[in-house]
Amino acid sequence: LAKTTQPISMDSYEGQEVNITCSHNNIATNDYITWYQQFPSQGPRFIIQGYKTKVTNEVASLFIPADRKSSTLSLPRVSLSDTAVYYCLVSRGAGSYQLTFGKGTKLSVIP
Amino acid sequence: GAVVSQHPSWVICKSGTSVKIECRSLDFQATTMFWYRQFPKQSLMLMATSNEGSKATYEQGVEKDKFLINHASLTLSTLTVTSAHPEDSSFYICSASFGLEAFFGQGTRLTVV
Repeated sequence: LAKTTQPISMDSYEGQEVNITCSHNNIATNDYITWYQQFPSQGPRFIIQGYKTKVTNEVASLFIPADRKSSTLSLPRVSLSDTAVYYCLVSRGAGSYQLTFGKGTKLSVIP
Repeated sequence: GAVVSQHPSWVICKSGTSVKIECRSLDFQATTMFWYRQFPKQSLMLMATSNEGSKATYEQGVEKDKFLINHASLTLSTLTVTSAHPEDSSFYICSASFGLEAFFGQGTRLTVV
């Protein structure tokens, strides 16, 4: 599976839009991109999944360029409760659940 | 969404004893569940794949005789840490698939003293 690279940490003020970019240069044709959120001492929570172009749900948007070698998770108007670690994962097929987690991005939202 | 529940949420045990952690899919059936381990400030590492009715598949470097996995029903997988030692202290997390998503339990904090 393709290795992912994300920034180790990011800081943002409340109310701002946050964009976290993940690179996955070796992504394969059948691979999907999924983002998870993890709070301390809790299991990860699914945020969004996509294959190409743009996907939007009630909490986030996921932008994937045509070459699919990177993706950007966009969190609109973050609040303090969005402080967490965000993981970008590449999985073989939409229903692939044997997930390989990278180091993730620790997002700190500042009041 | 689907719910995966782990029990206990935390446990403290003496070195040399065994600890059992349960992972249940509450409102769906899961033929496959996954067990992860997470050390402080590190990412999740897959330990093993639990298959209902058959033997678990362990990742390289994970001792199958130390981390016993039983998946006897479609809604329950258990992880038993046998002869636990302080270095086994960690956060253990299970997951199960439902639809196109993987759902994770809340995790179990194991502390071996």
